[in-house]
Amino acid sequence: QKEVEQNSGPLSVPEGAIASLNCTYSDRGSQSFFWYRQYSGKSPELIMFIYSNGDKEDGRFTAQLNKASQYVSLLIRDSQPSDSATYLCAVPHSGGYQKVTFGTGTKLQVIP
Amino acid sequence: GAGVSQSPSNKVTEKGKDVELRCDPISGHTALYWYRQSLGQGLEFLIYFQGNSAPDKSGLPSDRFSAERTGGSVSTLTIQRTQQEDSAVYLCASSQPAFSGFAPPDTQYFGPGTRLTVL
Repeated sequence: QKEVEQNSGPLSVPEGAIASLNCTYSDRGSQSFFWYRQYSGKSPELIMFIYSNGDKEDGRFTAQLNKASQYVSLLIRDSQPSDSATYLCAVPHSGGYQKVTFGTGTKLQVIP
Repeated sequence: GAGVSQSPSNKVTEKGKDVELRCDPISGHTALYWYRQSLGQGLEFLIYFQGNSAPDKSGLPSDRFSAERTGGSVSTLTIQRTQQEDSAVYLCASSQPAFSGFAPPDTQYFGPGTRLTVL
């Protein structure tokens, strides 16, 4: 099992719809979870992070965490063409140092 | 403040030559990471530094790849005897173990990358 797994996509949604991006992880000790966005030809940038079970909302973005199921998701409401990018899930190791493992990313396409 | 910088931004080399890629992390960031990203692919972890030491070199693809970090700051990734399959974008990121404004600990800040092309 990979440490962090994501569906590579592409995930296509119409403009205005909700995009749901999923990530599973294997390190049960992980405490924090990150979502990065990477536009084509650009470097990844942090868009959301979550520590606690449940939901965390920031504008049109909602991160959801279920530690028992080792599952974290990102919902994008009212998807816009500008949201078209690859979304990377990242999970720091629980081993007491700053190693972070990235998933392979899900490519999102928002169709106008 | 200044972000992560990388140089050169583009490097074209001939097969068999050695190349050096440089990363300047954000000042004060203790952790530094190198990744490789081939066209259309995900991030491939290469090596991680904590200070000047590298507790995890597990991602280096072969002994042609090496990296060092000096003074807890600048890092250099060296690829010897380059091969065509080494062609990719090499990304560097840095992080710190404390909150910084919006960002939580371990948030990675990425540089713009070095695009390496081996002919």
